[in-house]
Amino acid sequence: KAGVTQTPRYLIKTRGQQVTLSCSPISGHRSVSWYQQTPGQGLQFLFEYFSETQRNKGNFPGRFSGRQFSNSRSEMNVSTLELGDSALYLCASSLAVGRHTQYFGPGTRLTVL
Amino acid sequence: AQKITQTQPGMFVQEKEAVTLDCTYDTSDPSYGLFWYKQPSSGEMIFLIYQGSYDQQNATEGRYSLNFQKARKSANLVISASQLGDSAMYFCAMRGTLNAGGTSYGKLTFGQGTILTVHP
Repeated sequence: KAGVTQTPRYLIKTRGQQVTLSCSPISGHRSVSWYQQTPGQGLQFLFEYFSETQRNKGNFPGRFSGRQFSNSRSEMNVSTLELGDSALYLCASSLAVGRHTQYFGPGTRLTVL
Repeated sequence: AQKITQTQPGMFVQEKEAVTLDCTYDTSDPSYGLFWYKQPSSGEMIFLIYQGSYDQQNATEGRYSLNFQKARKSANLVISASQLGDSAMYFCAMRGTLNAGGTSYGKLTFGQGTILTVHP
């Protein structure tokens, strides 16, 4: 069974631009979560979706948004990029919300110049 | 609120020896799950092992075992017979239920990680 896929793998943007990251979960998984990983802040939870509904949200500004489609694929959008948004963005999928194990994709490394 | 603490920024171990990576947690959730993940330099997070707060037995998965001590709120990862490929960052994580019925869940919270280096 194919794992979680994320596109693109690498991205370079400039301040003020916006970016959309994509995540395709493992087949049959209906929950998708997003995380931001930086050397200074570690792994921080962004949001979680299940059945196209946001179920949990982390403490990030409104510039960070996401959505989930009916096929469980998810996208994350960051508007008005700031230098501090440079990070590895990880997507994880699980069967459902709860104590089900989350399986991670390879991540998208975003660099903001 | 949940908190995961990994007090060892870095650990070194000789190949074929066992190593214990420490993890303590703090939560008021009625039940919770504990996870360990491995992150090699490539960046991908690899799931290793899971322990439920009501599980009676310590979890084991191949060379990985979780030393769960609920009263002490610790969930240490033990890697037996270390291999060079075990060199990576290791994260402890927890997710709890927000209600006694176990139908509402909080977010998955990660510790700061421990870098493990296996020497030949």
